[in-house]
Amino acid sequence: SQKIEQNSEALNIQEGKTATLTCNYTNYSPAYLQWYRQDPGRGPVFLLLIRENEKEKRKERLKVTFDTTLKQSLFHITASQPADSATYLCALRPFSAGNNRKLIWGLGTSLAVNP
Amino acid sequence: DGGITQSPKYLFRKEGQNVTLSCEQNLNHDAMYWYRQDPGQGLRLIYYSQIVNDFQKGDIAEGYSVSREKKESFPLTVTSAQKNPTAFYLCASSPGGGVTGELFFGEGSRLTVL
Repeated sequence: SQKIEQNSEALNIQEGKTATLTCNYTNYSPAYLQWYRQDPGRGPVFLLLIRENEKEKRKERLKVTFDTTLKQSLFHITASQPADSATYLCALRPFSAGNNRKLIWGLGTSLAVNP
Repeated sequence: DGGITQSPKYLFRKEGQNVTLSCEQNLNHDAMYWYRQDPGQGLRLIYYSQIVNDFQKGDIAEGYSVSREKKESFPLTVTSAQKNPTAFYLCASSPGGGVTGELFFGEGSRLTVL
């Protein structure tokens, strides 16, 4: 079956360390993959988009990698801060889809950064 | 400031009643979406609209209805036919007809059926 998986267990790290979150997918040919941040009771906020022909994307302390051979995207937050504590969602758009209506969403990984 | 406004944030409904959730955007985006979020499940698409006066069913459209009479507005009606309506509802928009690019989400509406 087609699915997208993120770390199901919450990730707890110490402030200042690098947080690494994983998004694995099966049976898709992705056009691109997106990462969002969601705080409790709020809507998701877009962070980064990486296309299938890109290996890496950076934005300030955030870095996303995309390995289509491993069928995996890694999301890194360097020099993490307590304010980075949230749930992080990945969403994949298959090549077969003509637009965003076919985005496939992961369940999200909860990150807690301890001071 | 540009953005998406959902209202109400919290809504309680008795069984058998219809309820309408509002979604307004001033980002001049062509595409708008309604998602439902439940614990332990990823976001699921209810309805999608790429242009005014046109919308398409998503993966879980049964028991819901929408309209897109204006570019800025995409209200969602949860009807009494929806078997399990208690959930967190999210409205989103994207530019360029939704062909590519990120989604911009509202703050969500939490519906509880008593």
